[in-house]
Amino acid sequence: NAGVTQTPKFRILKIGQSMTLQCAQDMNHNYMYWYRQDPGMGLKLIYYSVGAGITDKGEVPNGYNVSRSTTEDFPLRLELAAPSQTSVYFCASSYRALGQGAVTYEQYFGPGTRLTVT
Amino acid sequence: QQQVKQSPQSLIVQKGGISIINCAYENTAFDYFPWYQQFPGKGPALLIAIRPDVSEKKEGRFTISFNKSAKQFSLHIMDSQPGDSATYFCAASMDTGRRALTFGSGTRLQVQP
Repeated sequence: NAGVTQTPKFRILKIGQSMTLQCAQDMNHNYMYWYRQDPGMGLKLIYYSVGAGITDKGEVPNGYNVSRSTTEDFPLRLELAAPSQTSVYFCASSYRALGQGAVTYEQYFGPGTRLTVT
Repeated sequence: QQQVKQSPQSLIVQKGGISIINCAYENTAFDYFPWYQQFPGKGPALLIAIRPDVSEKKEGRFTISFNKSAKQFSLHIMDSQPGDSATYFCAASMDTGRRALTFGSGTRLQVQP
């Protein structure tokens, strides 16, 4: 299993450009998430999905869009890049399953995409 | 009410010492408290997690202590090793539809040889 994969690893965008950050998982997880990590801060939730065809906003969704057409893929779209979107982006997945009498929600993270907007 | 506050921001410990990182939360609906470890250039990875029905959980050199009445939990790393040098995040989650994690701001741990 490759786990959670993200591409690209690094990207520099000019203000106003658009791009798609790719995320894929091969663990048949139903939940997927996009977080951003700014220096000295914890991760903030951008968007999430509880299954194919179902997405919803997190804490910081402005300037981003997502889609979930398959269980495996959860791309994040930036339409008009702004300097405030300079960050490291992490995709994560989890599976709502029962383990030892309790529901487990371990999230597995990808390696991240470092994005700079200038 | 969604915040998780983490301290200290950075920590330097000698090899063999005990590293202690603290977190506090406000929302009593949180019911899952994981700790994640992150090495430079990598994504966070689950280290250990606890639920509020227990006060302590130990896995090897890593222990979570949980104080439900104080709404605080902490990570203790016993016999700290240079290989433990990383950034540690506490987090919390609740049983809602999205089950997303609310993260603390992170602690950069450096274990000196």
